[in-house]
Amino acid sequence: NAGVTQTPKFRILKIGQSMTLQCAQDMNHNYMYWYRQDPGMGLKLIYYSVGAGITDKGEVPNGYNVSRSTTEDFPLRLELAAPSQTSVYFCASSYSPGSGEQYFGPGTRLTVT
Amino acid sequence: DQQVKQNSPSLSVQEGRISILNCDYTNSMFDYFLWYKKYPAEGPTFLISISSIKDKNEDGRFTVFLNKSAKHLSLHIVPSQPGDSAVYFCARGSYIPTFGRGTSLIVHP
Repeated sequence: NAGVTQTPKFRILKIGQSMTLQCAQDMNHNYMYWYRQDPGMGLKLIYYSVGAGITDKGEVPNGYNVSRSTTEDFPLRLELAAPSQTSVYFCASSYSPGSGEQYFGPGTRLTVT
Repeated sequence: DQQVKQNSPSLSVQEGRISILNCDYTNSMFDYFLWYKKYPAEGPTFLISISSIKDKNEDGRFTVFLNKSAKHLSLHIVPSQPGDSAVYFCARGSYIPTFGRGTSLIVHP
């Protein structure tokens, strides 16, 4: 099993550009999450999904969009990139929202200049 | 509103000694707390969890204690090893998980 994979690993965007961060998991988990981590801060939840076709906002959703057409994939879309979106982005999946541990991808380091 | 707080940004410990990482929470309606470990340039990995109906959970060198009256949990690592040097996050298990800011543990040989 590959677990949770994320692409790309690194990306530099210019202000106003758009991009999609890819996330895939092969564990058949229903629950998937997108987080961002800023320096010295914890993980902030951007969006989450409880199954294919169902997504909802987390703590910091502004400037982002998601979709979940399959159980495996959960892409995160950045529209009109801003310097405030410079961060490390982690995707995670889980079999249970409460007691279940989350499995994280390796992260995408994004810089917006 | 930070529902899970880790007030110590860093901790330095000698190899072989005990490491104690602390976490406070502000909302009692949690069923599970989880600890994650993160190495640089990697995603967090799950370490250990505890249900709110328990006071203690142990897994090898790692033990988590939950003090519900004080709304406090702690992770004990005994004995500490240099490979334990990482950032440790506590988190509450929920549909909308909440993570603390993390504590950077350095274990000196």
